[in-house]
Amino acid sequence: TQLLEQSPQFLSIQEGENLTVYCNSSSVFSSLQWYRQEPGEGPVLLVTVVTGGEVKKLKRLTFQFGDARKDSSLHITAAQPGDTGLYLCAATPLDDPSNTGKLIFGQGTTLQVKP
Amino acid sequence: EPEVTQTPSHQVTQMGQEVILRCVPISNHLYFYWYRQILGQKVEFLVSFYNNEISEKSEIFDDQFSVERPDGSNFTLKIRSTKLEDSAMYFCASSYWGLPLENEQFFGPGTRLTVL
Repeated sequence: TQLLEQSPQFLSIQEGENLTVYCNSSSVFSSLQWYRQEPGEGPVLLVTVVTGGEVKKLKRLTFQFGDARKDSSLHITAAQPGDTGLYLCAATPLDDPSNTGKLIFGQGTTLQVKP
Repeated sequence: EPEVTQTPSHQVTQMGQEVILRCVPISNHLYFYWYRQILGQKVEFLVSFYNNEISEKSEIFDDQFSVERPDGSNFTLKIRSTKLEDSAMYFCASSYWGLPLENEQFFGPGTRLTVL
């Protein structure tokens, strides 16, 4: 069974601080996505990483895929109250025999940025 | 920007009743998915659908569940006889590629199903 473990589960910081969220697994993934989910809404895709070691930037957000494609991190620089939300990692297992693209989700990291 | 839509946003039903959740995927997408999220828990995969047939289903997706793409635009999830434990947010997702290396899935806003 493939599992994605996110840490920390909860994070409360002051505006302007930096933070990093981690997504780890013992499994190898062919691709990994980061989503943001607001209460009562669907996950919104932020980024997809595919290549081991890949780094992508989205304004103040930096995403990295581990060299072995087993883990990923999301770093936010100078967090703002608007960054508050639930951040989810989701990935497609490399050894998925069905090859249907189903996503395995982490349990999420709830971020609160206080003004 | 194209988006996945879902109706209704909230469905309340009595245990044992049938419900149909509807989704309109992004128009040029080829792969369709249903996921569910029980309150406070992870998003869980239910079923994937491609070329008018189920390509994979999870253990959750038992005989009470079915999916259909009746008219080339709508994608539905039917639960024949709802149980209390079916109460959850149900998300529809679609992707163009559907292959592992290019599997970007876009999610709808969800339907909150409450079974009483």
